[in-house]
Amino acid sequence: DGGITQSPKYLFRKEGQNVTLSCEQNLNHDAMYWYRQDPGQGLRLIYYSQIVNDFQKGDIAEGYSVSREKKESFPLTVTSAQKNPTAFYLCASSIAGAGYEQYFGPGTRLTVT
Amino acid sequence: SQQGEEDPQALSIQEGENATMNCSYKTSINNLQWYRQNSGRGLVHLILIRSNEREKHSGRLRVTLDTSKKSSSLLITASRAADTASYFCATVLSGNTGKLIFGQGTTLQVKP
Repeated sequence: DGGITQSPKYLFRKEGQNVTLSCEQNLNHDAMYWYRQDPGQGLRLIYYSQIVNDFQKGDIAEGYSVSREKKESFPLTVTSAQKNPTAFYLCASSIAGAGYEQYFGPGTRLTVT
Repeated sequence: SQQGEEDPQALSIQEGENATMNCSYKTSINNLQWYRQNSGRGLVHLILIRSNEREKHSGRLRVTLDTSKKSSSLLITASRAADTASYFCATVLSGNTGKLIFGQGTTLQVKP
């Protein structure tokens, strides 16, 4: 059963704490992406990776960090430097770059108080 | 300003009617994609149309692309209550196939 998974579905943290969101795919895709979605808005790109051990900043990378040590995994850390971290976070993958359709996970809703 | 902007922002129709959503963009693209998002869920890919294509169909969906006007439209025919969702267009810029740029989306409500 192929797909892309994110965990947990809901996450609550206190201000000042770092938190890591999980994203795993078994589609054998080279490219993976992290997006942020705020209420009533479109998606904004945080980071993307087109190959293992390489990643690039998206449009809103400040306060976030990622790693891509394995093809299947692309975890996102929301650091205490992120000024407004409460949002819906979506992970996606594609076979190779944005020239192809992206497959999305179910998302993680992060609430920081 | 946004690369992709959808119009209208919200659309409410009766079941059985057609729904048309439009997307405009500013710079040259490699391809344009349409996605659907049910409330609180991940996005689902609908159609990808490349810059050298003018029209694509998938079931009840029809997408057109006019590169001279830098615009695309998504038509859903014979809509169903299950089509209620937000619809997003996303563009891949020419010369930069690393990322998608999403618009703000159109929220479609189909009343039974």
